[in-house]
Amino acid sequence: DIQMTQSPSSLSASVGDRVTITCRASQGIFNYLAWYQQKPGKVPKLLIYAASTLQSGVPSRFSGSGSGTDFTLTISSLQPEDVATYYCQKYNSAPFTFGPGTKVDIK
Amino acid sequence: EVLLVQSGAEVKKPGESLKISCKGSGYSFTNNWIGWVRQMPGKGLEWMGIIYPSDSKIRDSPSFEGQVTISVDKSITTAYLQWSSLKASDTAMYYCARIGDLGGSFDVWGQGTMVTVSS
Repeated sequence: DIQMTQSPSSLSASVGDRVTITCRASQGIFNYLAWYQQKPGKVPKLLIYAASTLQSGVPSRFSGSGSGTDFTLTISSLQPEDVATYYCQKYNSAPFTFGPGTKVDIK
Repeated sequence: EVLLVQSGAEVKKPGESLKISCKGSGYSFTNNWIGWVRQMPGKGLEWMGIIYPSDSKIRDSPSFEGQVTISVDKSITTAYLQWSSLKASDTAMYYCARIGDLGGSFDVWGQGTMVTVSS
């Protein structure tokens, strides 16, 4: 099975900072990658699918890029409401494995 | 509005059986795969498997094969996750989620069902 890794595992940044999270697949997955946000105690929420397509209603400060094995999620200007754990997920073939998550908080 | 509504929290003893449910509404239930995701306390998301309500085709994770059963009753637009013999390590939040029209990502999630297994 394809393994998913994320880096960093956690980060602390200031309001307004640009934040980048990396997701890597152990084999190529084309652009079959999604990003989710899970705020503390809440249900996960889809942010981005097909590596770079913003889900309806998601703020434009979120963006995704990448293809093949290396992907990034960028928050262009971190806001207090972005405190959450972010997960990538590959879905080129079953199992649609999630990455281990990146916890983002405010410095 | 597309909704997935899950059954309520459960407290069970080791060895007991359990079936939790996820009822879909607001969309054509048979047209979208529905999946299950486990989140153990303080841990990340784990993809368990998906089922296609139209024909009950299943794609599951080797990590969960033989441990749980995924099923669906399309007549009542409900998906299920079932255990025959619970273990303490099954204690977790379980989410159902719908795969969207444009690929394998989960675009709508249920509110979660907390399963606690303790003697």
